[in-house]
Amino acid sequence: AQSVTQPDIHITVSEGASLELRCNYSYGATPYLFWYVQSPGQGLQLLLKYFSGDTLVQGIKGFEAEFKRSQSSFNLRKPSVHWSDAAEYFCAVASNTGKLIFGQGTTLQVKP
Amino acid sequence: EAGVAQSPRYKIIEKRQSVAFWCNPISGHATLYWYQQILGQGPKLLIQFQNNGVVDDSQLPKDRFSAERLKGVDSTLKIQPAKLEDSAVYLCASSTRTAYSPYFGPGTRLLVL
Repeated sequence: AQSVTQPDIHITVSEGASLELRCNYSYGATPYLFWYVQSPGQGLQLLLKYFSGDTLVQGIKGFEAEFKRSQSSFNLRKPSVHWSDAAEYFCAVASNTGKLIFGQGTTLQVKP
Repeated sequence: EAGVAQSPRYKIIEKRQSVAFWCNPISGHATLYWYQQILGQGPKLLIQFQNNGVVDDSQLPKDRFSAERLKGVDSTLKIQPAKLEDSAVYLCASSTRTAYSPYFGPGTRLLVL
């Protein structure tokens, strides 16, 4: 069965520090992978997606993610975190019908 | 381009009452999704429409939840009767037929007392 695991429920980083959020997926075929961000009281905003090709994907707001098939991972990174990045981050994999299967989410707190 | 619209934004009801949520997708988007997001969890698909036909409703609790998308545009999700465990954010999303990255609306936050 398709599934997504985000091992870190909560992460705290200092402003200006680098960030990596982990995501592991289980999917039989070539996965379509996504990262979404959700600010309090808001809907989900797409940060980036991977369908095929270059395994390093650039997204909005300075985020990037790397697809590693051998590790079944799609980790999200940012070299320097801003206070406005504090939010909840969701990794997701798409089924062949377009349905998204989400991980539990990682809450990012940014210390000044 | 206007985004996905949802109403109401917030709703408080007592258990056993009924409630309905409305969604207006992005113009031209054939695929519409309803997700349920319980506090502390990732969203879970309730139902997926392609135009006005149902693609996937395997996780919709059909004894109490119903959804329709008449004319293949707007959609309504209904809960009758509501239970305490239905307290959640209900997210509507839409995409074009061939896209796999839907656009999400702001959600309706439901509290069942």
